[in-house]
Amino acid sequence: GQQVMQIPQYQHVQEGEDFTTYCNSSTTLSNIQWYKQRPGGHPVFLIQLVKSGEVKKQKRLTFQFGEAKKNSSLHITATQTTDVGTYFCAGQSGNTPLVFGKGTRLSVIA
Amino acid sequence: DVKVTQSSRYLVKRTGEKVFLECVQDMDHENMFWYRQDPGLGLRLIYFSYDVKMKEKGDIPEGYSVSREKKERFSLILESASTNQTSMYLCASSPNQGKTANYGYTFGSGTRLTVV
Repeated sequence: GQQVMQIPQYQHVQEGEDFTTYCNSSTTLSNIQWYKQRPGGHPVFLIQLVKSGEVKKQKRLTFQFGEAKKNSSLHITATQTTDVGTYFCAGQSGNTPLVFGKGTRLSVIA
Repeated sequence: DVKVTQSSRYLVKRTGEKVFLECVQDMDHENMFWYRQDPGLGLRLIYFSYDVKMKEKGDIPEGYSVSREKKERFSLILESASTNQTSMYLCASSPNQGKTANYGYTFGSGTRLTVV
């Protein structure tokens, strides 16, 4: 079945440093979504990418969808302590349920 | 404020008990999902439903069943709870594709179930 791999599993950064997490699917996706889960919280939807090569920005967050629609990345510029949490990518093919990556846990050292 | 509500935040049950986890959404979403989340394993899909009275198995349905008698409610049932079902259970809902430009999942706050 479809698999979504996400790296790295953990990332520790100094406040102000940049952070990137990468996502790869075993199959071509119709869309990819990104979620953030704060410690003790539940996943919260951040964004959806649909088009090949699409790039979207939300303030300091930049999301990319690969040309082949099999990979994606989330980049955070100048991390802040409020960015702490686990970031999940989730891929979808057609009308099947989302398949989640295992997430990247981000720690930010002030 | 639209939301997905899970009936219990924490639950402790004994091995062999029948356990009901309830989930209600107020967004008129067609699709509902049950995931479990375990450290190092991410979110794994147990069951999902795209319509009332409809259910489909996810990746790890063994030991679970579901019920969707009304559009807004999706129940997860542990027929005979076992210790390996100790986990965080997350319910989610989403609209049908084509009804909106963004069909991200809305998650409930989760139920942390401990089976002793």
